[in-house]
Amino acid sequence: NAGVTQTPKFRILKIGQSMTLQCTQDMNHNYMYWYRQDPGMGLKLIYYSVGAGITDKGEVPNGYNVSRSTTEDFPLRLELAAPSQTSVYFCATKNRAETSTDTQYFGPGTRLTVL
Amino acid sequence: ELKVEQNPLFLSMQEGKNYTIYCNYSTTSDRLYWYRQDPGKSLESLFVLLSNGAVKQEGRLMASLDTKARLSTLHITAAVHDLSATYFCAVDIDNYGQNFVFGPGTRLSVLP
Repeated sequence: NAGVTQTPKFRILKIGQSMTLQCTQDMNHNYMYWYRQDPGMGLKLIYYSVGAGITDKGEVPNGYNVSRSTTEDFPLRLELAAPSQTSVYFCATKNRAETSTDTQYFGPGTRLTVL
Repeated sequence: ELKVEQNPLFLSMQEGKNYTIYCNYSTTSDRLYWYRQDPGKSLESLFVLLSNGAVKQEGRLMASLDTKARLSTLHITAAVHDLSATYFCAVDIDNYGQNFVFGPGTRLSVLP
Protein backbone atom coordinates (compact mmCIF):
# COMPACT_ATOMS: atom_id res chain seq x y z
CA ASN A 1 0.00 0.00 0.00
CA ALA A 2 1.45 3.34 -1.07
CA GLY A 3 -1.01 5.33 1.08
CA VAL A 4 -1.17 8.93 -0.16
CA THR A 5 1.18 9.94 -2.95
CA GLN A 6 1.81 13.42 -4.33
CA THR A 7 3.62 14.54 -7.45
CA PRO A 8 5.75 16.44 -8.09
CA LYS A 9 7.87 16.74 -4.93
CA PHE A 10 9.30 20.09 -5.98
CA ARG A 11 8.38 22.66 -8.62
CA ILE A 12 9.42 26.16 -9.58
CA LEU A 13 6.90 28.20 -11.56
CA LYS A 14 7.07 31.59 -13.17
CA ILE A 15 4.38 34.15 -12.40
CA GLY A 16 1.32 33.51 -14.56
CA GLN A 17 2.12 29.88 -15.33
CA SER A 18 -0.31 27.09 -14.56
CA MET A 19 0.19 23.65 -13.10
CA THR A 20 -1.63 20.72 -11.54
CA LEU A 21 -0.55 19.08 -8.31
CA GLN A 22 -1.45 15.42 -8.28
CA CYS A 23 -2.72 13.44 -5.29
CA THR A 24 -3.56 9.75 -5.37
CA GLN A 25 -4.62 7.44 -2.55
CA ASP A 26 -5.05 3.68 -2.35
CA MET A 27 -6.71 3.66 1.08
CA ASN A 28 -10.28 3.75 -0.30
CA HIS A 29 -11.05 6.80 1.82
CA ASN A 30 -14.05 8.96 0.98
CA TYR A 31 -12.68 12.27 2.18
CA MET A 32 -9.76 14.07 0.61
CA TYR A 33 -8.22 17.46 1.40
CA TRP A 34 -5.74 19.98 0.08
CA TYR A 35 -3.80 22.15 2.51
CA ARG A 36 -1.07 24.71 2.15
CA GLN A 37 1.60 25.35 4.76
CA ASP A 38 3.54 28.58 4.65
CA PRO A 39 6.96 28.64 6.38
CA GLY A 40 6.69 28.40 10.16
CA MET A 41 2.91 28.32 10.03
CA GLY A 42 0.06 25.88 10.48
CA LEU A 43 -1.92 24.29 7.68
CA LYS A 44 -4.74 26.08 5.90
CA LEU A 45 -7.47 24.15 4.12
CA ILE A 46 -7.83 25.02 0.44
CA TYR A 47 -10.48 22.56 -0.78
CA TYR A 48 -11.94 19.28 0.37
CA SER A 49 -14.04 16.50 -1.12
CA VAL A 50 -16.36 14.03 0.57
CA GLY A 51 -16.59 11.76 -2.45
CA ALA A 52 -16.29 11.51 -6.20
CA GLY A 53 -18.04 14.44 -7.87
CA ILE A 54 -18.34 16.48 -4.66
CA THR A 55 -15.97 19.28 -3.70
CA ASP A 56 -16.20 22.27 -1.38
CA LYS A 57 -14.15 25.32 -0.51
CA GLY A 58 -12.03 25.53 2.57
CA GLU A 59 -10.50 28.57 4.22
CA VAL A 60 -8.24 29.76 1.36
CA PRO A 61 -9.65 28.63 -2.02
CA ASN A 62 -8.87 31.72 -4.12
CA GLY A 63 -6.50 31.00 -7.00
CA TYR A 64 -7.09 27.25 -6.93
CA ASN A 65 -9.45 24.72 -8.48
CA VAL A 66 -10.08 21.06 -7.81
CA SER A 67 -11.95 18.13 -9.28
CA ARG A 68 -12.75 14.67 -7.99
CA SER A 69 -13.76 12.26 -10.72
CA THR A 70 -12.64 9.11 -8.89
CA THR A 71 -12.25 8.02 -5.27
CA GLU A 72 -8.48 7.72 -5.73
CA ASP A 73 -7.52 11.05 -7.31
CA PHE A 74 -7.89 14.66 -6.18
CA PRO A 75 -5.83 17.03 -8.33
CA LEU A 76 -5.28 20.68 -7.39
CA ARG A 77 -5.03 23.20 -10.21
CA LEU A 78 -3.24 26.56 -10.07
CA GLU A 79 -4.31 28.63 -13.08
CA LEU A 80 -2.26 31.83 -12.84
CA ALA A 81 0.57 31.31 -10.39
CA ALA A 82 1.42 34.21 -8.08
CA PRO A 83 4.30 34.62 -5.60
CA SER A 84 1.74 34.42 -2.76
CA GLN A 85 1.17 30.79 -3.72
CA THR A 86 4.72 29.84 -2.80
CA SER A 87 4.15 27.22 -0.13
CA VAL A 88 4.25 23.53 0.69
CA TYR A 89 1.08 21.75 -0.37
CA PHE A 90 -0.18 18.68 1.45
CA CYS A 91 -2.89 16.30 0.33
CA ALA A 92 -4.67 14.26 2.99
CA THR A 93 -7.33 11.56 3.16
CA LYS A 94 -9.71 10.37 5.83
CA ASN A 95 -12.24 7.63 6.22
CA ARG A 96 -15.87 8.75 6.55
CA ALA A 97 -16.53 6.93 9.83
CA GLU A 98 -15.90 8.85 13.01
CA THR A 99 -14.09 6.45 15.29
CA SER A 100 -11.14 6.90 17.55
CA THR A 101 -8.76 5.74 14.84
CA ASP A 102 -10.12 7.77 11.95
CA THR A 103 -7.68 10.58 11.41
CA GLN A 104 -6.26 12.34 8.38
CA TYR A 105 -3.40 10.65 6.55
CA PHE A 106 -1.06 13.07 4.85
CA GLY A 107 0.97 12.78 1.69
CA PRO A 108 4.66 13.75 1.59
CA GLY A 109 3.95 17.24 0.24
CA THR A 110 4.81 19.32 -2.83
CA ARG A 111 7.13 22.27 -2.36
CA LEU A 112 6.13 25.00 -4.82
CA THR A 113 8.05 28.20 -5.50
CA VAL A 114 6.62 30.94 -7.72
CA LEU A 115 9.15 33.45 -9.03
CA GLU B 1 -14.22 33.91 12.63
CA LEU B 2 -12.98 30.61 14.03
CA LYS B 3 -9.67 30.79 15.86
CA VAL B 4 -7.48 27.93 16.97
CA GLU B 5 -4.67 29.05 19.22
CA GLN B 6 -1.76 27.13 20.67
CA ASN B 7 0.31 28.07 23.66
CA PRO B 8 3.24 28.24 23.74
CA LEU B 9 4.36 28.64 20.14
CA PHE B 10 7.94 27.77 21.03
CA LEU B 11 9.09 25.53 23.86
CA SER B 12 12.59 24.60 24.84
CA MET B 13 12.83 22.09 27.63
CA GLN B 14 15.35 19.79 29.20
CA GLU B 15 15.21 16.05 29.00
CA GLY B 16 13.36 14.52 31.89
CA LYS B 17 11.09 17.49 32.49
CA ASN B 18 7.30 17.65 32.18
CA TYR B 19 5.33 20.24 30.27
CA THR B 20 1.90 20.93 28.77
CA ILE B 21 0.92 22.41 25.41
CA TYR B 22 -2.48 24.08 25.23
CA CYS B 23 -4.89 24.31 22.31
CA ASN B 24 -7.82 26.74 22.58
CA TYR B 25 -10.53 27.12 19.98
CA SER B 26 -13.42 29.49 19.54
CA THR B 27 -16.20 27.28 18.11
CA THR B 28 -18.32 24.49 19.53
CA SER B 29 -16.69 21.26 18.47
CA ASP B 30 -16.50 17.79 19.95
CA ARG B 31 -13.64 16.62 17.76
CA LEU B 32 -9.99 17.51 18.00
CA TYR B 33 -6.86 15.94 16.59
CA TRP B 34 -3.17 16.21 17.41
CA TYR B 35 -0.40 15.81 14.85
CA ARG B 36 3.36 15.82 14.89
CA GLN B 37 5.59 17.23 12.17
CA ASP B 38 9.36 16.73 11.97
CA PRO B 39 11.35 19.39 10.06
CA GLY B 40 10.87 19.10 6.31
CA LYS B 41 8.47 16.18 6.72
CA SER B 42 4.78 15.53 6.49
CA LEU B 43 2.32 15.30 9.38
CA GLU B 44 1.83 12.20 11.50
CA SER B 45 -1.28 11.54 13.53
CA LEU B 46 -0.88 11.34 17.31
CA PHE B 47 -4.33 11.43 18.89
CA VAL B 48 -7.99 11.51 17.95
CA LEU B 49 -10.28 13.02 20.61
CA LEU B 50 -13.96 12.66 19.76
CA SER B 51 -15.88 13.64 22.88
CA ASN B 52 -15.82 15.76 25.99
CA GLY B 53 -13.54 14.30 28.60
CA ALA B 54 -11.66 12.11 26.11
CA VAL B 55 -8.15 11.21 27.24
CA LYS B 56 -5.60 9.35 25.18
CA GLN B 57 -2.05 8.30 26.05
CA GLU B 58 0.80 7.01 23.97
CA GLY B 59 4.21 6.66 25.54
CA ARG B 60 5.28 9.97 27.09
CA LEU B 61 2.41 11.93 25.52
CA MET B 62 -1.11 12.32 26.88
CA ALA B 63 -3.90 14.35 25.27
CA SER B 64 -7.23 15.44 26.71
CA LEU B 65 -10.27 17.35 25.52
CA ASP B 66 -12.62 19.64 27.44
CA THR B 67 -15.29 20.72 24.96
CA LYS B 68 -17.04 22.97 27.47
CA ALA B 69 -13.87 25.00 27.98
CA ARG B 70 -12.96 24.58 24.28
CA LEU B 71 -9.55 23.42 25.38
CA SER B 72 -7.29 20.51 24.61
CA THR B 73 -3.99 19.77 26.30
CA LEU B 74 -1.00 17.73 25.20
CA HIS B 75 1.06 16.72 28.22
CA ILE B 76 4.65 15.60 27.90
CA THR B 77 6.09 13.44 30.66
CA ALA B 78 9.84 13.06 31.17
CA ALA B 79 10.72 14.52 27.80
CA VAL B 80 13.36 12.90 25.60
CA HIS B 81 15.21 14.34 22.61
CA ASP B 82 13.19 12.24 20.15
CA LEU B 83 10.10 14.28 21.03
CA SER B 84 11.60 17.38 19.41
CA ALA B 85 9.17 18.36 16.64
CA THR B 86 6.31 20.73 15.88
CA TYR B 87 2.95 19.75 17.34
CA PHE B 88 -0.33 20.86 15.79
CA CYS B 89 -3.88 20.63 17.02
CA ALA B 90 -6.71 20.60 14.49
CA VAL B 91 -10.39 21.24 15.17
CA ASP B 92 -13.22 19.65 13.23
CA ILE B 93 -15.33 22.77 12.86
CA ASP B 94 -18.56 21.19 11.63
CA ASN B 95 -18.31 17.90 13.56
CA TYR B 96 -18.70 15.97 10.31
CA GLY B 97 -15.04 15.17 9.77
CA GLN B 98 -15.02 17.31 6.65
CA ASN B 99 -13.66 20.73 7.49
CA PHE B 100 -10.67 21.30 9.74
CA VAL B 101 -8.84 24.32 11.11
CA PHE B 102 -5.29 23.85 12.35
CA GLY B 103 -3.54 25.72 15.10
CA PRO B 104 -0.26 27.54 14.37
CA GLY B 105 1.82 24.78 15.91
CA THR B 106 4.10 24.49 18.93
CA ARG B 107 7.75 24.01 18.09
CA LEU B 108 9.26 21.81 20.81
CA SER B 109 12.96 21.44 21.34
CA VAL B 110 14.14 18.96 23.97
CA LEU B 111 17.69 19.61 25.06
CA PRO B 112 19.98 16.98 26.58
